[in-house]
Amino acid sequence: SQKIEQNSEALNIQEGKTATLTCNYTNYSPAYLQWYRQDPGRGPVFLLLIRENEKEKRKERLKVTFDTTLKQSLFHITASQPADSATYLCALYNQAGTALIFGKGTTLSVSS
Amino acid sequence: NAGVMQNPRHLVRRRGQEARLRCSPMKGHSHVYWYRQLPEEGLKFMVYLQKENIIDESGMPKERFSAEFPKEGPSILRIQQVVRGDSAAYFCASSPPAADSYNEQFFGPGTRLTVL
Repeated sequence: SQKIEQNSEALNIQEGKTATLTCNYTNYSPAYLQWYRQDPGRGPVFLLLIRENEKEKRKERLKVTFDTTLKQSLFHITASQPADSATYLCALYNQAGTALIFGKGTTLSVSS
Repeated sequence: NAGVMQNPRHLVRRRGQEARLRCSPMKGHSHVYWYRQLPEEGLKFMVYLQKENIIDESGMPKERFSAEFPKEGPSILRIQQVVRGDSAAYFCASSPPAADSYNEQFFGPGTRLTVL
């Protein structure tokens, strides 16, 4: 079955630095990979989707890369701010396309 | 344009009671998904429904759990004879119908179920 691992449970960085989060997956070659943000006590919020034929996707201060050879996605937040502090989830659909499989998430803390 | 709505936001039940969780998808969305998040664990898929049809229930326990999405009204996740291990946050998500099934999903705020 598909498996997703987000290597770091927690990441602490200083304001203004770039945060880099890692997502690795096994046993599956997804056509799409998604990133969500979840704040405490709230539901996940969609951030970015990247397709297998896209190496990189950007949205404002966010950048996602997708390396299908390494089976890895990197999620970058540039010029990080305390408001970026949250848990970031990597997700991909199962092979049937009927369910999102989520990693456990990386909790980012940005200190001022 | 209201987002995905879930109610109640918090639900307390005693062991053996029934829990009913409701989800109204975003306007125009006909696909509904239910996920469960246990403390310190990730989101786990439970069931995927379209109007009046269960498409994939592979993540849902075979006993005590059921889900429906009727032609009219919200989607319901029903847990019968709750046990302490059912205590979790239950999230509903919706997505629009599309030829490409790999859409992003829009999540509700969740229902936090506590079983005493």
